Amino acid sequence: NAGVTQTPKFQVLKTGQSMTLQCAQDMNHEYMSWYRQDPGMGLRLIHYSVGAGITDQGEVPNGYNVSRSTTEDFPLRLLSAAPSQTSVYFCASSYPNAGQGAWAGELFFGEGSRLTVL
Amino acid sequence: AQKITQTQPGMFVQEKEAVTLDCTYDTSDPSYGLFWYKQPSSGEMIFLIYQGSYDQQNATEGRYSLNFQKARKSANLVISASQLGDSAMYFCAMREGWGGSNYKLTFGKGTLLTVNP
Repeated sequence: NAGVTQTPKFQVLKTGQSMTLQCAQDMNHEYMSWYRQDPGMGLRLIHYSVGAGITDQGEVPNGYNVSRSTTEDFPLRLLSAAPSQTSVYFCASSYPNAGQGAWAGELFFGEGSRLTVL
Repeated sequence: AQKITQTQPGMFVQEKEAVTLDCTYDTSDPSYGLFWYKQPSSGEMIFLIYQGSYDQQNATEGRYSLNFQKARKSANLVISASQLGDSAMYFCAMREGWGGSNYKLTFGKGTLLTVNP
């Protein structure tokens, strides 16, 4: 099972360049999200989506753009990279509550993408 | 105010001993869920254990148990019989609200656990 797949795993950018972090899941999860992880800060939510065509901002959305055209894919775009966006980025997905049994709603994470902006 | 507070930036434990990692949370919603994740040095996020706010018993998963004290708003992770492979960063997280419309998790800043041989 592939689960949540992120590409690329590593990327170096120059200030002002743009790029897209790709995220795909094959579990038919409705919910997808992007987090960034910085030392001493834990994981902070950037953007999330509760289904195709629906996106919303998280805690730290500035400088990032997302779209959700399919259930499977949730790309994160950096339009003009800044050194402050140097971080490890995680894509995560979750499944809906079917109303049966205990529903944890835990997130399934990709392996992370390490981005350095010079 | 922080929703999730992990007051121990780092913890050390001897192999085979038990260790408790602290987590306190802040919410006014009566329906919420609490999670613990492990992040080894390789970087992946591994889900360990979940506790729902209405669960009557503390959650357990193998060597992991969650000491849930609702009145104190604490959800401490207890790892019994520590192993060298338990050395990792541990994150506490919370989901507020119930139902399929709310999946967002808020994370604490983490505790770095080191298991000594």
